[in-house]
Amino acid sequence: QTVVTQEPSFSVSPGGTVTLTCGLSSGSVSTSYSPSWYQQTPGQAPRTLIYSTNTRSSGVPDRFSGSILGNKAALTITGAQADDESDYYCVLYMGSGSWVFGGGTKLTVL
Amino acid sequence: EVQLVESGGGLVQPGGSLRLSCAASGFTFSSYSMNWVRQASGKGLEWVSYISSSSSTIYYADSVKGRFTISRDNAKNSLYLQMNSLRAEDTAVYYCARRGDSVTQFDYWGQGTLVTVSS
Repeated sequence: QTVVTQEPSFSVSPGGTVTLTCGLSSGSVSTSYSPSWYQQTPGQAPRTLIYSTNTRSSGVPDRFSGSILGNKAALTITGAQADDESDYYCVLYMGSGSWVFGGGTKLTVL
Repeated sequence: EVQLVESGGGLVQPGGSLRLSCAASGFTFSSYSMNWVRQASGKGLEWVSYISSSSSTIYYADSVKGRFTISRDNAKNSLYLQMNSLRAEDTAVYYCARRGDSVTQFDYWGQGTLVTVSS
């Protein structure tokens, strides 16, 4: 079974830039997996940040961007703010009616 | 305003059944595919099931296949998840989520309903 991998945790300084990644236990992530990114704060439902690799969802600030870096999908936050401290999840479409979320990255801004 | 409101969660014994509902409003429900996604306490998100707008296409995660049944009633703007043979590992908050333009875009989510499977 393919596992979608994310860094368990990451830390960034206020105003800094951080790149979170989303990979596969076997193989490379490409645009064909249509990677999307979600932000979730405790007790809240997830919120869509990026879909189809690099399309920002409505209302999402342009300091959030998505891309493919090497063999992984990536979410880059430029100019991190305190309220960016959240859990971030990627999801890939594996084909044949199967979606797999990554384990999530807990981002700390300090 | 798009709203998704889940209900039907609760405490159930292992082997028991539960039916979750998701009431949709603020959009043309019959035009959108829908999903169920769950999250165990302190854990990550897990996609559970998908149903197309006309119910013609249905998918399940391997972890629930054969035990859960997704359905919808477009006349009632409602999505359902019938959960049978429940196990402790099914304990989670269950979210309904609307599929957006992209295959991995879950553009609107409900607030979730908690299912606890325990004796």
